[in-house]
Amino acid sequence: NAGVTQTPKFQVLKTGQSMTLQCAQDMNHNSMYWYRQDPGMGLRLIYYSASEGTTDKGEVPNGYNVSRLKKQNFLLGLESAAPSQTSVYFCASSYPSGGPGNTIYFGEGSWLTVV
Amino acid sequence: GENVEQHPSTLSVQEGDSAVIKCTYSDSASNYFPWYKQELGKRPQLIIDIRSNVGEKKDQRIAVTLNKTAKHFSLHITETQPEDSAVYFCAARTSGTYKYIFGTGTRLKVLA
Repeated sequence: NAGVTQTPKFQVLKTGQSMTLQCAQDMNHNSMYWYRQDPGMGLRLIYYSASEGTTDKGEVPNGYNVSRLKKQNFLLGLESAAPSQTSVYFCASSYPSGGPGNTIYFGEGSWLTVV
Repeated sequence: GENVEQHPSTLSVQEGDSAVIKCTYSDSASNYFPWYKQELGKRPQLIIDIRSNVGEKKDQRIAVTLNKTAKHFSLHITETQPEDSAVYFCAARTSGTYKYIFGTGTRLKVLA
């Protein structure tokens, strides 16, 4: 049971390049999330998905897109990377409301630098 | 939109003293409040949580209190140890949604 797995762990991009951060969970969780973490800003929600096939915007969705085609996977895309997107990205998953735990479980993080 | 304010942003205590971190949430429909500890370079990990139908919860040296009227909840760490040094985040989840909104974090330093 690996929990939440993110790839890649480290990535350097040039401004304007595109990339996809991948996230997989093996806990059969319905809900998945993408957060970014910047110094002094805490964890800010980019997008979340309550169930397979559905996605919703969080606090800072601009410049990102997401895909939840399978229950176990949640992809975060950057179409045209900007230096402001330099950050640590965390994927997370949780049981739906009312289920056991109701806790978010985080992946190990992806360090992205845009130059 | 929903907002969670967390104070203080940094906190230094002597080993053995107590530490208190406070959070305030804006959405009165929030019903679940977890606290996470994040060590340097690591992922946030749950340390304690509380639901809206409970006023206080304890787990050894850690406790959380909730005041629904004031929309305020706090983390209390007693007999602090150097290994408690980390960044702590509070969060709130709104009933009927799956959105967790986090506070901006508190960097706790326990001085030996």
